[in-house]
Amino acid sequence: ETGVTQSPTHLIKTRGQQVTLRCSSQSGHNTVSWYQQALGQGPQFIFQYYREEENGRGNFPPRFSGLQFPNYSSELNVNALELDDSALYLCASSPSEETQYFGPGTRLLVL
Amino acid sequence: EDQVTQSPEALRLQEGESSSLNCSYTVSGLRGLFWYRQDPGKGPEFLFTLYSAGEEKEKERLKATLTKKESFLHITAPKPEDSATYLCAVDTGRRALTFGSGTRLQVQP
Repeated sequence: ETGVTQSPTHLIKTRGQQVTLRCSSQSGHNTVSWYQQALGQGPQFIFQYYREEENGRGNFPPRFSGLQFPNYSSELNVNALELDDSALYLCASSPSEETQYFGPGTRLLVL
Repeated sequence: EDQVTQSPEALRLQEGESSSLNCSYTVSGLRGLFWYRQDPGKGPEFLFTLYSAGEEKEKERLKATLTKKESFLHITAPKPEDSATYLCAVDTGRRALTFGSGTRLQVQP
């Protein structure tokens, strides 16, 4: 068990809608990262937060945004959903800049 | 641009048949190389971190090694429960892990 939980486990949305995914990490894990994993591919880095500030961003458009809260929880928000946004969304937390521990993921399907 | 390539894409072994998975990387500066195991529909499970060429780490039937250009994950006498996708990732200090596409391992009894 990594101590990282994500909700919901599965989600179905339609194109154009907005979605919020949630992650809760271990106490003391000040860094949280979000990844998108398409079927058959490795995870792709979306962005990272450190102590509630965005700390790095991958090649994703601004309609992907996030928040991190003082209680070690975080959110990934995606606006104007597109069909290609269908994927497994993974949250990973770490106590430092070293090993990242992943949650079970949220499977998003956009119709 | 950082690149990570894993081979083979898929590997089928008989129980007890040892083999190796390869992860080759091209990065500007390696801070760490990570191996994860991922079961279908689940998040990646951390296995190892390697920091410098020549370093080796072991866990049960798995052994990871690192050179300046690649890493190997050696699986000794695998069992069916070792079946999973094995992911390699690099950390170049840019606050993101760059992953390969993984190797899907199937171990048949």
